[in-house]
Amino acid sequence: EVQLVESGGGLVQPGGSLRLSCAASGFNFSDYWVHWVRQAPGKGLEWVANIKHDESEIYYVDSVKGRFTISRDNAKNSMYLQMNSLRAEDTAIYYCVYGRGWIFVLWGQGTLVPVSS
Amino acid sequence: DIVMTQSPDSLAVSLGERATINCKSSQSVLSGSNNKNFLAWFQQKPGQPPNLLIYWASTRDSGVPDRFSGSGSGTDFTLTISSLQAEDVAVYYCQQYYGAPITFGQGTRLEIK
Repeated sequence: EVQLVESGGGLVQPGGSLRLSCAASGFNFSDYWVHWVRQAPGKGLEWVANIKHDESEIYYVDSVKGRFTISRDNAKNSMYLQMNSLRAEDTAIYYCVYGRGWIFVLWGQGTLVPVSS
Repeated sequence: DIVMTQSPDSLAVSLGERATINCKSSQSVLSGSNNKNFLAWFQQKPGQPPNLLIYWASTRDSGVPDRFSGSGSGTDFTLTISSLQAEDVAVYYCQQYYGAPITFGQGTRLEIK
């Protein structure tokens, strides 16, 4: 079964850091682009970042550039999102997604990151 | 950035009737190199992650019922549900993947009348 499972979410104070992980199974992870997308409570979808299968291309939305870092470990079938200098407006459910290129084929269940003091 | 604008924001349709959701991009998402529109549609039910319905503007993903169809080109796109079923109650999002940043429409909430 193709599956993505996020972990690492939780309450963090403004200015703090958090590292999200996403474990993939059921497909050849190293062949695919992977993405992070977030959704603030009750709001719409916002793409955050993506990384090519060989890490040769990485892109970020402007609002997280310089604060968030996407990475992957193909040997562990995993991807990560290091989030630093967190702000209240980063509060969201964070989804990992795998794609045929930039077509978002499958989403994980998401992990909630509340940023609050 | 390419801005995606959906209309309407919410929609109530009777069971068995047609539902139509529109999506407009602020610039063309039609690629001159492969003549494909870099436009997808997603369905999100309460408490669940989004689910891919349509990509390349009109290609249904595997397992998606054929009552769902996508059309349009360039900057104007439509998602049509030909005969609304109770399980289609959800929020629907269009998305462009023509270039970074990848952007979504604001969502259209579909309910039963």
